[in-house]
Order: sequence, then structure tokens, then C-alpha cells
Amino acid sequence: EVQLVESGGGLVKPGGSLTLSCAASGFTFTNTWMSWARQAPGKGLEWVGRVRTRFDTGTTDYAAPVKGRFTISRDDSENTVGLQMDSLKIEDTAVYYCIVGFGDHWGQGTQVIVSS
Amino acid sequence: QSVLTQPPSASGTPGQRVTISCSGSSSNIGSSFVNWYQQVPGTAPTLLIYANNQRPSGVPDRISGSKSGTSASLAISGLQSKDEADYYCAAWDPSLNEFFFGSGTKVTVL
Repeated sequence: EVQLVESGGGLVKPGGSLTLSCAASGFTFTNTWMSWARQAPGKGLEWVGRVRTRFDTGTTDYAAPVKGRFTISRDDSENTVGLQMDSLKIEDTAVYYCIVGFGDHWGQGTQVIVSS
Repeated sequence: QSVLTQPPSASGTPGQRVTISCSGSSSNIGSSFVNWYQQVPGTAPTLLIYANNQRPSGVPDRISGSKSGTSASLAISGLQSKDEADYYCAAWDPSLNEFFFGSGTKVTVL
């Protein structure tokens, strides 16, 4: 059974940083692209970015609103994917989801609140 | 303003058929596969349709997807109360190297 468990959410001030982590199990992690998506309160889904497998260069792509501020990384030895968020803005407040590929499977999400 | 446009709401009575549209452009839907997701309020989304019309295991065949040109559709036949949820289309845009979700459609079973 595929399991994705996010952690690291919390309250942070504007301009601050936060790192989310996602522990994955139940599938061959090293062969799988991983993504992050988010959902602001009362709003729709928004893709944040993805990291390819190391066999596919291991490179990343990001949504325009977070490019240059967020960094996605993966640790194939630990089956984890991370989301480093810097220069956080109030509009980054959302539930952040770890997802397999472009949404084959979703974690339960972790809440990030950016507020002074 | 979402890149992929969906009607904000749709409704039907039990047993009816409901169709949700997703309108994009040649750079996203016209160039890529379309996925559909269901999100029951208070829970994480789940994949409903991938690659335009393929159902993951466990998704009943009363759920179907289609794509034509720069638009896609999701159809739910034999509507049930458990189908009350938000539905999102999504597609990759190779010109922008970004993945976009649709604006979402809330389905109500009357």
C-alpha cells in the first residue's frame, strides 16, 4: 500500500523559512517522480513543483509563483522528498500535499500558515 | 484566473448523468494528457482518471473521461450521494514546464 506522510508544517512569519518532508513507502521510490501541491484555505489545488528520478537527471520544475523561493529535493536512501520554502509570503498559506508523480497518490497534507 | 477553466458547480439527482468540462489551450490540454481528481471535503484528493480516459484500479466504470482538442470532459453516470465532492482536471504545459490544475467543480447530488 502506498503511504505518503508529510511533516514539518507550522506557523512562520512573512519572510521566514520552513522545510517540509515527506516519507514515502509502498512503491519503488527511486523510479518515481515526486511532486508537491498545495491548497489555500477555501481555494482550489495548485501544483508547486516536482523532482525527477536520478535516472532522469534528478532535475526539478517549479510553478511560477514559487520559482526562486522553493526548492524540492529527494533522498533515495531514505525514501523522502523535501520542500524547502524560503522568503515565505502570506499567500503561501496552504495545506501542502506530497504526491506521487502528478497525483497518482496523495499524502494527507501538512498545514503551513504564514502570518505575522 | 486559472489556465484550465471548469464550471464552478454541477448537480444532478441520484441516478442521473453529470458531465464536467475542462477548457484549456493548445499549449496544455492540446499537448498533453489530462488527469481528473476527486476531493471529498476535508480529505486529500484522489486520482479518478489519468491519460485522458484511463481509470485507476478501484474507480468504477460509471466514471469516464474524454478529450478533444483543447478541452476535456469527465462524466459521472448513475450519480450517487457519495459522488458529492470537488472535481479537478489537470494537465502539463510543456511550453511552460508547469503542471496546472483546473479551477474545480463542486458536484452536488440533489
